[in-house]
Amino acid sequence: GESVGLHLPTLSVQEGDNSIINCAYSNSASDYFIWYKQESGKGPQFIIDIRSNMDKRQGQRVTVLLNKTVKHLSLQIAATQPGDSAVYFCASAPGAQKLVFGQGTRLTINP
Amino acid sequence: DAGITQSPRHKVTETGTPVTLRCHQTENHRYMYWYRQDPGHGLRLIHYSYGVKDTDKGEVSDGYSVSRSKTEDFLLTLESATSSQTSVYFCAISEGQAEKLFFGSGTQLSVL
Repeated sequence: GESVGLHLPTLSVQEGDNSIINCAYSNSASDYFIWYKQESGKGPQFIIDIRSNMDKRQGQRVTVLLNKTVKHLSLQIAATQPGDSAVYFCASAPGAQKLVFGQGTRLTINP
Repeated sequence: DAGITQSPRHKVTETGTPVTLRCHQTENHRYMYWYRQDPGHGLRLIHYSYGVKDTDKGEVSDGYSVSRSKTEDFLLTLESATSSQTSVYFCAISEGQAEKLFFGSGTQLSVL
C-alpha cells in the first residue's frame, strides 16, 4: 500500500520569506499528488495538484515540485503571509485508487 | 466549502448511544467520503460511496456504517458510540476516485 509522510511536523518562517514544505511517498505507482491547507476549525482546502507526467506546477504564489526518482513532493509558498498560517497536508494516489494522506506540517508565520 | 454541508457541526453524546452524521452536497459528485481526523493520525478514511447504494469500507470502518439513498446525501452512523470515536469527522466529495477531494467544515463529536 501507500504511505505518505511529511518531513517536519512544524515549520516556522518569517513573513515575506518563501516557505517550503516537504512530503515523501512510498508507492512508486502513485501518479496523482495533491496539497491541502487546513486552518483551525475548518475543513481541508484544496491548494494545488499534480500528476506524475509533470515535474512542476504553479499556482497563485504556490508551486508544487515532484521528484519521482526519490519519491518526494514539495510545496513552495512565495512571499509567505500571515494568512498562510495553517496545517498543510500532502496526499497521493496510486493508479485509480483512493488518496492517502500524510499527517500534516503546521506552518507558523513570524512577523 | 464547495457545496457541502455537514450536520450537526457539534455533537456531545454518551457511550452506547446511536449517532448519525449527515453530509449533503449540491455538486452532483459521484464519490462521497467520510474521514475522521485525530491528532497523530491525520485523516483516515472510514467509508466511501461511489454511487447511490454503492458503498465500501475504508481503513477504520469498525463501529461505523453508512448509507447513501440519494446522490446528494451520505449518512454516517455510529450504532453504539464509544469514547474512542471522539473525533472530528469530515465529509468529502469528488468527481472521480483519484481526483481532488472537496471537504466539508467538519463535525466535532464528543462521546462521554
